[in-house]
Amino acid sequence: EVQLLESGGGLVQPGGSLRLSCAASGFNFRSYVMNWVRQAPGKGLEWVSGISGGDIKTDYTGSVKGRFTISRDNSKNTLLLQMNSLRAEDTAVYYCAKATYYDSSGYLYGMDVWGQGTTVTVSS
Amino acid sequence: DIQMTQSPSSLSASVQDRVTITCRASQSVSNFLNWYQQKSGKAPKLLIFAASNLQTGVPSRFSGSGSGTDFTLTISSLQPEDFATYYCQQGYSTPLTFGGGTKVEVK
Repeated sequence: EVQLLESGGGLVQPGGSLRLSCAASGFNFRSYVMNWVRQAPGKGLEWVSGISGGDIKTDYTGSVKGRFTISRDNSKNTLLLQMNSLRAEDTAVYYCAKATYYDSSGYLYGMDVWGQGTTVTVSS
Repeated sequence: DIQMTQSPSSLSASVQDRVTITCRASQSVSNFLNWYQQKSGKAPKLLIFAASNLQTGVPSRFSGSGSGTDFTLTISSLQPEDFATYYCQQGYSTPLTFGGGTKVEVK
């Protein structure tokens, strides 16, 4: 069964750091672009970051550039998101999501497998 | 960044109604437009990719159309399990962007 399982969420003070993990199973992890998508309470979906299968190319939405770093360990089938200088507006459920088709198609065809999400709360 | 605008933001419908949701991009995204369904407290589910391709396992009452900047998601006969929020998303360029969502509620 194809599965994604996020962990690492929690309560952190403004300016603090947190590292999210996503454990993947049931598919050839290294062959797919992987993404982080977040959803603030009562709001819509926002794509945060993505990384190519070979860990060569990373992309970010503007509001997290320079603060968040996406990475992956293909030997452990794990996706990571290092979040620094956290702000109240980063409070959200963070989902990891797999691209629908192989790495060469990049982001084109959406995200077909999602984790259950991990909650990040930034508050003093 | 490409802005995605969905309309309406909410609608009320009855079982067996035909429902249409529109999504407009601020610039052409070719046919790289995807649709998701999200139920309360759950992760999104991919319904349609590349504007008109039904994801495996999705009922055929869902269909998508459009290209360039204007797209449509249609539910031909609304079922009880279809009451949810629907999002469009462009995959054409980063940052990937989603529409604001359309909540389909019981009339």
